[in-house]
Amino acid sequence: KQEVTQIPAALSVPEGENLVLNCSFTDSAIYNLQWFRQDPGKGLTSLLLIQSSQREQTSGRLNASLDKSSGRSTLYIAASQPGDSATYLCAVRLDTGNQFYFGTGTSLTVIP
Amino acid sequence: EPEVTQTPSHQVTQMGQEVILRCVPISNHLYFYWYRQILGQKVEFLVSFYNNEISEKSEIFDDQFSVERPDGSNFTLKIRSTKLEDSAMYFCASSESSPAPGGYFGPGTRLTVT
Repeated sequence: KQEVTQIPAALSVPEGENLVLNCSFTDSAIYNLQWFRQDPGKGLTSLLLIQSSQREQTSGRLNASLDKSSGRSTLYIAASQPGDSATYLCAVRLDTGNQFYFGTGTSLTVIP
Repeated sequence: EPEVTQTPSHQVTQMGQEVILRCVPISNHLYFYWYRQILGQKVEFLVSFYNNEISEKSEIFDDQFSVERPDGSNFTLKIRSTKLEDSAMYFCASSESSPAPGGYFGPGTRLTVT
């Protein structure tokens, strides 16, 4: 069974800092990995999707990398802003099956 | 931009009652999913649905649960005889294909069982 772990569980940084969120998974036979943002009591907003054949994806101030063989992904947020405060979830989909396996998330607080 | 919608946003029900959670997936999508998130816990897969039948389900999705696509636009999750531990946020998702390039998730329905 795929286990997805995210470190740290919580992170608090001053505005303007660059930061890295980590995601690790136990089964490297993944089809893709997706990073989501979740605001309190809200749904899941997709941020970046990386296919298993890709090494990284970028969108604005966000950059996600994937090292499939070592079972790791990172989400890099540049020049953090208070509006970035949310919980960030990574989810992986295996080569077989339809479901996403989610991590427990990193709760990010950006202090003005 | 197309989006997945869910109704109601919050449902309160008494233990033992039946509830139906509704979702409208993105119109050209063919695969539909339900996930749930108990407060403070991971988002967990419940079931996937394609071509009017369940394609995959988790061990959570037992006989208490059922899904249906009653018409061309809605996708529903029925929970029979609700229990306190069914209280959670329930997310619907859809995708064009499977494995999908990505999942589009709805805003969720918060179910509270009292």
